[in-house]
Parts: sequence; structure tokens; C-alpha cells
Amino acid sequence: GQSLEQPSEVTAVEGAIVQINCTYQTSGFYGLSWYQQHDGGAPTFLSYNALDGLEETGRFSSFLSRSDSYGYLLLQELQMKDSASYFCAVRAHNTDKLIFGTGTRLQVFP
Amino acid sequence: SAVISQKPSRDICQRGTSLTIQCQVDSQVTMMFWYRQQPGQSLTLIATANQGSEATYESGFVIDKFPISRPNLTFSTLTVSNMSPEDSSIYLCSARDRGTINYGYTFGSGTRLTVV
Repeated sequence: GQSLEQPSEVTAVEGAIVQINCTYQTSGFYGLSWYQQHDGGAPTFLSYNALDGLEETGRFSSFLSRSDSYGYLLLQELQMKDSASYFCAVRAHNTDKLIFGTGTRLQVFP
Repeated sequence: SAVISQKPSRDICQRGTSLTIQCQVDSQVTMMFWYRQQPGQSLTLIATANQGSEATYESGFVIDKFPISRPNLTFSTLTVSNMSPEDSSIYLCSARDRGTINYGYTFGSGTRLTVV
């Protein structure tokens, strides 16, 4: 099976940089994804790492290290609108199922 | 990217009754997925719905409680049967958006169910 662990909560101030970690135990997966979910909203796709290394998309970057069973989402130049929950997720081998991590609630303060 | 319309957005139901949630995708997708999310918690996969075959349920979820239909490649329903207050949750449908190269999944806006 798969399990993905994240810190439950992270706080930061506007303009800062924050890193949200994801450690996983899985028998095999195609890649690590990150999703953002605002309160009352649906999850929205942020980024995907198929291979080890860093993927950059604007203010957001995501990193994967399969040898360390670890990934992270890096958010730069934080804005108030970044306050949301963030989930890592994997698509398991031989299925299209997306399995979500425990989730991290990010609060950005002025 | 694909757009999923989900309804109802919310409902308050009496225990013992059933509610059917509908999801319509604006493009054809092979698989659709149904999730449950308790407030402040992560998403838990209920089942995978393929067109033309029975849904595949995750451990802890059974067809009698959560029957799923998938009549075509753009539509699916999830029924929450014989509801109890423990079924109060947010239910979300999802599909993999094959229109992108980054393997993102698209979600419906969710159904907030309260059972009283």
C-alpha cells in the first residue's frame, strides 16, 4: 500500500519562503504530484515530478528524491492567497488511482 | 483542461435515506474516481468507476453502501445509501485530465452532505 506523511500545519509571513515536506512509503508509483485546496474548494493541480529533481512553475517548485522516499513543495514570495491546504499525491503503478498525503494547512500572515 | 460539474453542491438529509451525487465531465475520460473528505482531513478514495464495468472499491467501502454508475465516458453517479450521521462529509469526483502532459487530475466542486 501507500502512505504519504506531511506536517499538519505550517505558518509563514507574506513574502517569505516555505517548504512543505512529504515522506512516503509506497510499493511503486509513477510520480509525485502536489495539489492546493482552499477552504470550501476543490483540490487543484499544482505540479508533478516524474523524475528525481526540481520542477519549477512560477513561484512554486517541487522536488522529488526516490532514493530518499521524499519530496517537497517550495512556495516563494508567499501571498495571503496562498493560505490553503496542500496535499502530495501519488499515482500508483498499474492503476490510475491518485492517493493523497495527510495534508498540510498553510497559514500566511501579514 | 477538463471541467467537471458536480451536483448537488450541498444537501441535508434524514438518516436512513439515500442521496445520489452526479458528476458530468466536459470531455471523455476512461476512469472517474470518487473521494470522501472529512472537514480538515485528507481525501480518501472510495472507488474507481470505469465505463462498462463494475466499480472497484477501496478497503472499507462496499457497493451496497456506495453504489456507483458509469453509463458513459462523461458521466458518473455515486449514491450514499441508508445514510447515518457518520456519512456526513464532503464527497468529490475526479478524473485524470489527459488533455495535459503533466498528469494532473481535475476535481468536481464537491458535495457537502450533512445527515441529521
